[in-house]
Amino acid sequence: QVQLVESGGGVVQPGRSLRLSCAASGFTFSSYAMHWVRQAPGKGLEWVAVISYDGSNKYYADSVKGRFTISRDNSKNTLYLQMNSLRAEDTAVYYCARGLAAANVWGKGTTVTVSS
Amino acid sequence: AIRMTQSPSSLSASTGDRVTITCRASQGISSYLAWYQQKPGKAPKLLIYAASTLQSGVPSRFSGSGSGTDFTLTISCLQSEDFATYYCQQYYSYPPYSFGQGTKLEIK
Repeated sequence: QVQLVESGGGVVQPGRSLRLSCAASGFTFSSYAMHWVRQAPGKGLEWVAVISYDGSNKYYADSVKGRFTISRDNSKNTLYLQMNSLRAEDTAVYYCARGLAAANVWGKGTTVTVSS
Repeated sequence: AIRMTQSPSSLSASTGDRVTITCRASQGISSYLAWYQQKPGKAPKLLIYAASTLQSGVPSRFSGSGSGTDFTLTISCLQSEDFATYYCQQYYSYPPYSFGQGTKLEIK
């Protein structure tokens, strides 16, 4: 079945880096744009980044621009989010989601906690 | 950036009620609007896209309408499983793909 599984979350100190992964299965990963969306504890959804189906176009939220990098490996059916210079306000559940427009498939999320 | 504003922020209703949630865009977005449902500890679920198109598998008691700047999500006859938080999202102009702040639907 169609599935997205995030991994790579954890507890990290401010200023450090972390790389999230999102493994896709059950569909032709290379045909779809992919998003990262996050949700801070008790807060709403915040869109983070999107990458086109072939990786040629990438867009970011202002809050992460210059610190986060979205990428993909279509040969491995995997989406990535490289997060550098992490801040306390980056603490959230990070979801990957499929689709250039409305996201119709979501992973269950991985939790990132930035704390000293 | 386009700002999405939902109202109300929270809503109390009873099973069987008809409820409407409103989403307003800070500028026109045609029909490039989606609605999501999220339950505690779960990922969001797409309910409606293109402002009024029901996602496959979503019950017909959910409906969406609107275009331009004003949109509504209506649940015609609330069921117990509908108590959740609802978000609108525009995908007309990006970045960012902005979300509304959410509407929490609670049991009265």
